[in-house]
Amino acid sequence: DTGVSQNPRHKITKRGQNVTFRCDPISEHNRLYWYRQTLGQGPEFLTYFQNEAQLEKSRLLSDRFSAERPKGSFSTLEIQRTEQGDSAMYLCASSLAGQLSYEQYFGPGTRLTVT
Amino acid sequence: AQSVTQLDSQVPVFEEAPVELRCNYSSSVSVYLFWYVQYPNQGLQLLLKYLSGSTLVESINGFEAEFNKSQTSFHLRKPSVHISDTAEYFCAVSDVLWNDYKLSFGAGTTVTVRA
Repeated sequence: DTGVSQNPRHKITKRGQNVTFRCDPISEHNRLYWYRQTLGQGPEFLTYFQNEAQLEKSRLLSDRFSAERPKGSFSTLEIQRTEQGDSAMYLCASSLAGQLSYEQYFGPGTRLTVT
Repeated sequence: AQSVTQLDSQVPVFEEAPVELRCNYSSSVSVYLFWYVQYPNQGLQLLLKYLSGSTLVESINGFEAEFNKSQTSFHLRKPSVHISDTAEYFCAVSDVLWNDYKLSFGAGTTVTVRA
């Protein structure tokens, strides 16, 4: 399967702990997006990369959140000192750059539960 | 900034009956419009899109949506639903101006098809 993959699929952590999620995009896609989806809501944009460059970060992305895409391939999203309000589904999507960027392919998501 | 309103959070419908999911958006610039579908325990999938040209767009599985600029709407319809159409449906918009293609989603509409 050559779709977008995310690991882990589920993560339970205690408040105050750090967590890291990984996203592997479709191999030829240079754009990579992170979204967060809370219960009963649609996904909300967090940040996106073109190749290894992080081009935009949402105001939702507090300083406890950091995302990287070191070689322009996979990406990691780290949350430091987790809070209960961080509990959500974290979605990754990838797309080609240029005029086909509108077509984003989503991964299955990582569900984070902070206890 | 854009916003998307999906007017119905839950839509129960009988098999072979028609369904309409309403979506309104607000934006100060031109937008691309999308409907995504999320089947139970699966990731988001692009159902159909409006970029330009004909205001009526269709999917391969019988859904259609019409872009109405004056009413800032992009309602989704299907004349006859199947049990397999049970899913959550998200309307989304993307700003044409900035070429970032980040998506703003509505809160979603859960469609439950009953026999």
